[in-house]
Amino acid sequence: QQQVKQSPQSLIVQKGGISIINCAYENTAFDYFPWYQQFPGKGPALLIAIRPDVSEKKEGRFTISFNKSAKQFSLHIMDSQPGDSATYFCAGQETSGSRLTFGEGTQLTVNP
Amino acid sequence: EAGVVQSPRYKIIEKKQPVAFWCNPISGHNTLYWYLQNLGQGPELLIRYENEEAVDDSQLPKDRFSAERLKGVDSTLKIQPAELGDSAVYLCASSPTNFPGELFFGEGSRLTVL
Repeated sequence: QQQVKQSPQSLIVQKGGISIINCAYENTAFDYFPWYQQFPGKGPALLIAIRPDVSEKKEGRFTISFNKSAKQFSLHIMDSQPGDSATYFCAGQETSGSRLTFGEGTQLTVNP
Repeated sequence: EAGVVQSPRYKIIEKKQPVAFWCNPISGHNTLYWYLQNLGQGPELLIRYENEEAVDDSQLPKDRFSAERLKGVDSTLKIQPAELGDSAVYLCASSPTNFPGELFFGEGSRLTVL
């Protein structure tokens, strides 16, 4: 059962541009929404996360925007850099159940 | 501090052969996960342990997959017999019990079944 839908599947951005990745979820029991970054040959690593009691969270160049009524959230990467080229996964989690459900991933390429 | 360690990193086997993957989580992390990641897809949970107890194994294909976590530390995931469709990356992750949202992943074990 696909509970987290992610788009786009791939994204190409020029250096200095803004990268935007969108996710939609179905399970209203989710109460934790992390984003993971994965480089080739490596495991995913937590990038930034948000809980549904806030609409936005910013950490450096990375911002999560959260719309609880629409059951959508997005990742914005400002001033995108070639080093940001990776696959990004959104996810949802029910804290009570601790199961993390991932989206399908977005392969980001930032051209120099 | 050492991260999650997995071995082997790569394994190539013939179909119907057995294979085993090993995982050593971050010290002090009581929760351990095995995830399956197919090419171009997000990780999918196979099994989650709280200490020695498997608390979520509903997605584990129990006819051919088995896992154990003896003494609540290291874990082994076994496939017997392997099928062509099992070719994927098997990721191990761990997390502190008091903050389950942040998972620390190993680099994964890439399995190719011929």
